[in-house]
Amino acid sequence: EIVLTQSPGTLSLSPGERTTLSCRASQSVSNNYLAWYQQKPGQAPRLLIHGALNRATGIPDRFSGSGSGTDFTLTISRLEPEDFAVYYCQQYGGSPSTFGQGTRLETK
Amino acid sequence: EVQLLESGGGLEQPGGSLRLSCAASGFTFSSNAVSWFRQAPGKGLEWVAGISGSGDRTYYADSVKGRFTISRDNSKNTLYLQMNSLRAEDTAVYYCAKKGGGYDYAPRPDYWGQGTLVTVSS
Repeated sequence: EIVLTQSPGTLSLSPGERTTLSCRASQSVSNNYLAWYQQKPGQAPRLLIHGALNRATGIPDRFSGSGSGTDFTLTISRLEPEDFAVYYCQQYGGSPSTFGQGTRLETK
Repeated sequence: EVQLLESGGGLEQPGGSLRLSCAASGFTFSSNAVSWFRQAPGKGLEWVAGISGSGDRTYYADSVKGRFTISRDNSKNTLYLQMNSLRAEDTAVYYCAKKGGGYDYAPRPDYWGQGTLVTVSS
């Protein structure tokens, strides 16, 4: 099973700032099948990025994904108030599909 | 518009059983693999089980294999999860999700339901 480790655990930032979230895999993710989700309290996860760098339908271009192999990054270029949430990465290149433990993005 | 609506959650004692349902609409249900995921209170996400569009192939996480059964009724556009021999560690919000990419056994959802809470406690 591929273990995904997200860092940092918590980020305290202000609207307008730029941020980078990291997701590191214990082994190479096949086909770079790495997705990023945003989750707000009481809501289901929302797909942001798939295939490491492809924005999902309707996702603003301030969200971007990069990386390959074992190291992946989600960048939010300019934080909006609605971006403060928990972010998860998921690998779906190997069985079973697994998730990172999440990064909480909170308002400073 | 794709919609997934879970039901059937509730409080059950350890060793008991529950059956979750997920009513799907807005897409061709029989052509799409679907899965169950769960999220324990305050914790991260976990894939639980998946099923192919026709229902002839099913897949399970090791943590539920032999206790949970995923099935679907394509005539009713409904996904099910039969949960037997429930344990305290099965307490979670259970989400159904439509596969948007990946594999039936390692899906990447593109749509999620809002979830149903299962609590296993005496």
